[in-house]
Amino acid sequence: LAKTTQPISMDSYEGQEVNITCSHNNIATNDYITWYQQFPSQGPRFIIQGYKTKVTNEVASLFIPADRKSSTLSLPRVSLSDTAVYYCLVGWDTGRRALTFGSGTRLQVQP
Amino acid sequence: EAGVTQFPSHSVIEKGQTVTLRCDPISGHDNLYWYRRVMGKEIKFLLHFVKESKQDESGMPNNRFLAERTGGTYSTLKVQPAELEDSGVYFCASSQDGRVVGTEAFFGQGTRLTVV
Repeated sequence: LAKTTQPISMDSYEGQEVNITCSHNNIATNDYITWYQQFPSQGPRFIIQGYKTKVTNEVASLFIPADRKSSTLSLPRVSLSDTAVYYCLVGWDTGRRALTFGSGTRLQVQP
Repeated sequence: EAGVTQFPSHSVIEKGQTVTLRCDPISGHDNLYWYRRVMGKEIKFLLHFVKESKQDESGMPNNRFLAERTGGTYSTLKVQPAELEDSGVYFCASSQDGRVVGTEAFFGQGTRLTVV
């Protein structure tokens, strides 16, 4: 499974846009890129998923360059409630269906 | 629609005792996963059920851990006998047909296990 690398932590202020980049140099052809969010004392929660180019939903946008060796999660206008750990996961091809979590990025949003 | 439910939310047991964790997946989800995070470490995969069958149990740490999913509905994870290093948070997740790539997984709140 592709290994991912993300910043350990990031700080931001309310109302700002936050971009978290994840490296996954060994991504396989069939792999999807998935981002999860985790609040303290809760299980991870799915945010967004993509394969290439750009994906947008009501929560975030995901930008994936053509080589797919990295991806960027973009959170528009963050609020205090966006303070959480964000995980970038790569995988889930037809052969391996389990997620592999890295260390995640701890985002702290200040007022 | 009910989400993934785990029971208990917390458990404190003594070393050598037995503990059984339960997970109720979202109705209709054939795929059920167990993960755990031990103190200061990453969330690690333990095993994956497809209905009642173990699809992948490569993440199970040793034979003190036994997972079952009778009838393909809820699952239990038994630790017997528990050791101090088993302390951590155990998460369960479920998803629809795992043959579809990029399927979203839904996680439960986790069970915090403390072995003293």
